[in-house]
Amino acid sequence: EAQVTQNPRYLITVTGKKLTVTCSQNMNHEYMSWYRQDPGLGLRQIYYSMNVEVTDKGDVPEGYKVSRKEKRNFPLILESPSPNQTSLYFCASSRQGDQPQHFGDGTRLSIL
Amino acid sequence: QQQVKQSPQSLIVQKGGIPIINCAYENTAFDYFPWYQQFPGKGPALLIAIRPDVSEKKEGRFTISFNKSAKQFSLHIMDSQPGDSATYFCAARGNDYKLSFGAGTTVTVRA
Repeated sequence: EAQVTQNPRYLITVTGKKLTVTCSQNMNHEYMSWYRQDPGLGLRQIYYSMNVEVTDKGDVPEGYKVSRKEKRNFPLILESPSPNQTSLYFCASSRQGDQPQHFGDGTRLSIL
Repeated sequence: QQQVKQSPQSLIVQKGGIPIINCAYENTAFDYFPWYQQFPGKGPALLIAIRPDVSEKKEGRFTISFNKSAKQFSLHIMDSQPGDSATYFCAARGNDYKLSFGAGTTVTVRA
């Protein structure tokens, strides 16, 4: 089954404790992206990757890091999480940057 | 600053009614306008999309109307059903392949 898989689905943690949210796709897609969803703001893009080893900032990259060492994986790293990063996060992928994106089911992060 | 403004925030209709969601944009470089549907606990899923050289597109009970001069587009759900109850997002994309989303509209269809 074609899918985008995120882990964990839920996480409660404390300020300053580094965390990584993994994202993996099994569709051999070139393009991958991370979004955060907040009430009243919709989805905002954090980072995206056009291909392996190619990443670029989205609209809200502050406080986040990403890497794309393999085509299928695109982890999101919060080096020093803060409460304002409490949000619902989505990973997405598409065959190319101009193709429709497939979304994972989301990761709900709570940072206390 | 949100590049795509979406309204209303929520709406409730009776089964068979036609919920209408409106979106507006300013960036004339946008050339692709998708709508996404999201159910609770799930990620958004592409519903229907339109390009600015077309004024209307229909897929099943879902219709996009596009007004390029006004920089507005809207989603109509014909003969709405309780199963259409979800959050709907409009979005826009330019040639940088970055998607800008509206704030979302929660649609409730009552039986």
